[in-house]
Amino acid sequence: EAGVAQSPRYKIIEKRQSVAFWCNPISGHATLYWYQQILGQGPKLLIQFQNNGVVDDSQLPKDRFSAERLKGVDSTLKIQPAKLEDSAVYLCASTLARGFMNTEAFFGQGTRLTVV
Amino acid sequence: RKEVEQDPGPFNVPEGATVAFNCTYSNSASQSFFWYRQDCRKEPKLLMSVYSSGNEDGRFTAQLNRASQYISLLIRDSKLSDSATYLCVVSPSGGGADGLTFGKGTHLIIQP
Repeated sequence: EAGVAQSPRYKIIEKRQSVAFWCNPISGHATLYWYQQILGQGPKLLIQFQNNGVVDDSQLPKDRFSAERLKGVDSTLKIQPAKLEDSAVYLCASTLARGFMNTEAFFGQGTRLTVV
Repeated sequence: RKEVEQDPGPFNVPEGATVAFNCTYSNSASQSFFWYRQDCRKEPKLLMSVYSSGNEDGRFTAQLNRASQYISLLIRDSKLSDSATYLCVVSPSGGGADGLTFGKGTHLIIQP
């Protein structure tokens, strides 16, 4: 079974530039998450989708971050404009559905963003 | 107070030893608990879920103490391949993966 696919793997941009990340979850997984992991810290949830609807975006810095999952399958996360503190690994994860106890979240390999 | 707190370590442990980590969480409404493992420059992967009655998977044992709001992970007969960062994860939802909150992780180094 194919896992969660993310691209690009690495990205280096200058501050104030824009960047976009792509994620394709495991086939059939209704729930998709974007996490930000800064070096030395645990992943922090940015946004959660259920199919094509947003479930939780309370920790998404909406002045510069946006995300969409228009057809309820793959998703893009955009940062515009980027700041130095956005340097992190951006992880996409998916789960089969909500409402199942102890459901496992499967993570992609992440996109490592460096803002210079 | 941070939502999920862990000792970041590193824990340097000789191969074959037993090692234990604890993690505390602040949200008393948390319903689901997990340990994830993250290798260097890799994505997190589920190690085990943590049940109220405690559970064991081979050399790994997880315990939950709701009254004190802490979770533990015990690794027996540690192997070199156990070297990794162990992330304590809680969710306020009984639905498992919703709203996962991660600790910063505990870095474990198994030495030959």
